[in-house]
Amino acid sequence: EAQVTQNPRYLITVTGKKLTVTCSQNMNHEYMSWYRQDPGLGLRQIYYSMNVEVTDKGDVPEGYKVSRKEKRNFPLILESPSPNQTSLYFCASSLTSGSHEQYFGPGTRLTVT
Amino acid sequence: QKEVEQDPGPLSVPEGAIVSLNCTYSNSAFQYFMWYRQYSRKGPELLMYTYSSGNKEDGRFTAQVDKSSKYISLFIRDSQPSDSATYLCAVGFGRPLMDSSYKLIFGSGTRLLVRP
Repeated sequence: EAQVTQNPRYLITVTGKKLTVTCSQNMNHEYMSWYRQDPGLGLRQIYYSMNVEVTDKGDVPEGYKVSRKEKRNFPLILESPSPNQTSLYFCASSLTSGSHEQYFGPGTRLTVT
Repeated sequence: QKEVEQDPGPLSVPEGAIVSLNCTYSNSAFQYFMWYRQYSRKGPELLMYTYSSGNKEDGRFTAQVDKSSKYISLFIRDSQPSDSATYLCAVGFGRPLMDSSYKLIFGSGTRLLVRP
């Protein structure tokens, strides 16, 4: 089944404890992206990647890192999480150049205390 | 001012009603317009997209764009309880993987509840 998977789905952690949220897609998509979703603010892009080893900042990159060593994986790294990073996170991927349809993962709900 | 404004709802309607969901945007450079549906505890999924002013139909769903007013709408005919979800509009310009200026902005979503 074609899909985007994220792990973990739920995570409660403490301030300053490094964490990684994994994202993997099995559709051979080139474009991948991370969003956070907060009430009243909608989906905001954190980072995106056009292809392997090519990443760039989105609208709210502060406090996050990403890497794209393989086409299928795009992990989101929080080196020192803070409470304002408590949010619902979505990974998404797109098929080809010019394709506007993004396929979203199921989401990771992160709570930082 | 947000680039895309969307009434958060919730909007509660009886089954069979016609639903109208709306967004306004501020930047006339936006070239394409989308509607995503997000069920509870799921990621958004693309429902419809369009590039031009006017109407686009897909079954019970009609997307309407008025570029002169910077206003987009999604109409749902004969609404069903299974349509209960949050609906996100999105506007963008550029082409993913081709333009460095590619940008996609999401609205905050309108929660819809269709009562049986």
